Amino acid sequence: DAKTTQPPSMDCAEGRAANLPCNHSTISGNEYVYWYRQIHSQGPQYIIHGLKNNETNEMASLIITEDRKSSTLILPHATLRDTAVYYCIVRGTNQAGTALIFGKGTTLSVSS
Amino acid sequence: GAVVSQHPSWVICKSGTSVKIECRSLDFQATTMFWYRQFPKQSLMLMATSNEGSKATYEQGVEKDKFLINHASLTLSTLTVTSAHPEDSSFYICSALPGEVRSGNTIYFGEGSWLTVV
Repeated sequence: DAKTTQPPSMDCAEGRAANLPCNHSTISGNEYVYWYRQIHSQGPQYIIHGLKNNETNEMASLIITEDRKSSTLILPHATLRDTAVYYCIVRGTNQAGTALIFGKGTTLSVSS
Repeated sequence: GAVVSQHPSWVICKSGTSVKIECRSLDFQATTMFWYRQFPKQSLMLMATSNEGSKATYEQGVEKDKFLINHASLTLSTLTVTSAHPEDSSFYICSALPGEVRSGNTIYFGEGSWLTVV
């Protein structure tokens, strides 16, 4: 799987949009970009994933650059409950049955 | 989303005893489940991959005789920590892959189980 690079920490004011970047410059054509988050002392929670096109669901939006070398997870209106570690993971179609490998992620702190 | 449940949420056991942690997929069948361990302030570390009806595949450095994994049905995998020692104290997390294996599948995680060995 391609490696990802994320900033170790970010701050965001409550009610504002949180934009979490992820660099995956070595991503190959068959690799998806997945985002999970882990709130303290809980298991990771699935947020969103995509291949080429931008994706949106009730939790967040995923913006993938045209060259697919980076992506941004957007939480449109951050709340205190969004404080968590956010993980960006790439995973190939040839590894559909394999586990997600976690890096260090970005610790997002939302404050009032 | 799909639900994965772990039990117990937390357990305290005496050094030298064994403890079992269950992972269940509640609303889907999972041919593949994964077990992770997480120490404080660290990321999740994959321990093993569990496939229904076959032996688990362990990551390098994980003792298969100490961490026994059984995936007897499509909705249940168990992790047994045998002869537990204080250094085994950790947060254990399972995840499950729904249905047939195909690209773009979403993997869902349990709530995690805290193990403290005293």
